[in-house]
Amino acid sequence: ETGVTQTPRHLVMGMTNKKSLKCEQHLGHNAMYWYKQSAKKPLELMFVYNFKEQTENNSVPSRFSPECPNSSHLFLHLHTLQPEDSALYLCASSQDTGANVLTFGAGSRLTVL
Amino acid sequence: AQTVTQSQPEMSVQEAETVTLSCTYDTSESDYYLFWYKQPPSRQMILVIRQEAYKQQNATENRFSVNFQKAAKSFSLKISDSQLGDAAMYFCAYRSAWEDSSYKLIFGSGTRLLVRP
Repeated sequence: ETGVTQTPRHLVMGMTNKKSLKCEQHLGHNAMYWYKQSAKKPLELMFVYNFKEQTENNSVPSRFSPECPNSSHLFLHLHTLQPEDSALYLCASSQDTGANVLTFGAGSRLTVL
Repeated sequence: AQTVTQSQPEMSVQEAETVTLSCTYDTSESDYYLFWYKQPPSRQMILVIRQEAYKQQNATENRFSVNFQKAAKSFSLKISDSQLGDAAMYFCAYRSAWEDSSYKLIFGSGTRLLVRP
């Protein structure tokens, strides 16, 4: 068990659907992250939360909406996505944003039809 | 802006042999951290090894070691006695050490390692 759990593992949605990705960590970490991993591209940081506060939005379109209700949970709400948004979405956590080591989840594979 | 380049999209190694994965980076900073992450088919990214730029000694973790050449901005990963379980995507990553700078990890595009039995 990795300590960072992501659900669902796979998600298929239409462009007009609304869905959410969930990330949960039981490591006592205070920082959580969303990354996007597309085929043949480097991982892209999307959002950063530190102590439940969003500290970075890396120019992500508004059709992606993050939510961090507490330090253990992170959501990514999806609405009106495009086919090019199909990717693996990875959640990670760390002790805080100054920490060197990230712990990743196994990702949610999203397919937008 | 910092960049990380992995020039080998795919590498292959015979089980029990040694393989070296290449990584170069570009930065104007003097203090930073470098990492190698492994992503097996299970998709979870796992930290393999890390190196602090201020340390001259190369990091080692069991069968994994790095060759850190700061002047050349090179950070290669050597896997000794390769095992079937080493088959995965390997990502090189950079992180600035300056707290007021971006704490983002900058990843390379990855190298797929195949291990032949």
